[in-house]
Amino acid sequence: NAGVMQNPRHLVRRRGQEARLRCSPMKGHSHVYWYRQLPEEGLKFMVYLQKENIIDESGMPKERFSAEFPKEGPSILRIQQVVRGDSAAYFCASSPGRRGDYGYTFGSGTRLTVV
Amino acid sequence: AQRVTQPEKLLSVFKGAPVELKCNYSYSGSPELFWYVQYSRQRLQLLLRHISRESIKGFTADLNKGETSFHLKKPFAQEEDSAMYYCALSEYGNKLVFGAGTILRVKS
Repeated sequence: NAGVMQNPRHLVRRRGQEARLRCSPMKGHSHVYWYRQLPEEGLKFMVYLQKENIIDESGMPKERFSAEFPKEGPSILRIQQVVRGDSAAYFCASSPGRRGDYGYTFGSGTRLTVV
Repeated sequence: AQRVTQPEKLLSVFKGAPVELKCNYSYSGSPELFWYVQYSRQRLQLLLRHISRESIKGFTADLNKGETSFHLKKPFAQEEDSAMYYCALSEYGNKLVFGAGTILRVKS
């Protein structure tokens, strides 16, 4: 079991470009969570998805950010027209069930740098 | 709003000394609390959770509802314990609310 796979590990984008971050959950996990870690800060919840459904997007910025978890393929976090303030580490986690006490498994993260 | 506070950004101790990483929370319901650890260049890993009342790698954490704390303790620090430690609270059973993290440095 390869665990939660995120790619790319590092992503550099110019201001105004689009960033696409991918997350493949652990085998058997149908719940995916995205977190963002800004420099000097803890991880902040962004969005919680199940297959083809967004369950909770209360942490997502209102503009430019979107997430999906299609029936087939990885979950995608998409950031349009990136700005310098989007530079951060983006972590994905998956779990087998809805409740946190099952435990989350985190990916290694994608470090986005906007230049 | 639910919050998790880790007051120390950095905790530096000598090998063999006791360690206590502080975590305080605010939550209106019955909290589910966790400690996660991130070793250098590795992914975030679950260290322990309060519901299982276990000891992992010599670390323990007790939930104190009166003081709304979930401090992480180890009686004798080892160099391999050096890492970033995050306290987290599970909100409504799914998403996690994290503290800002504490870097633990164990010096020889």
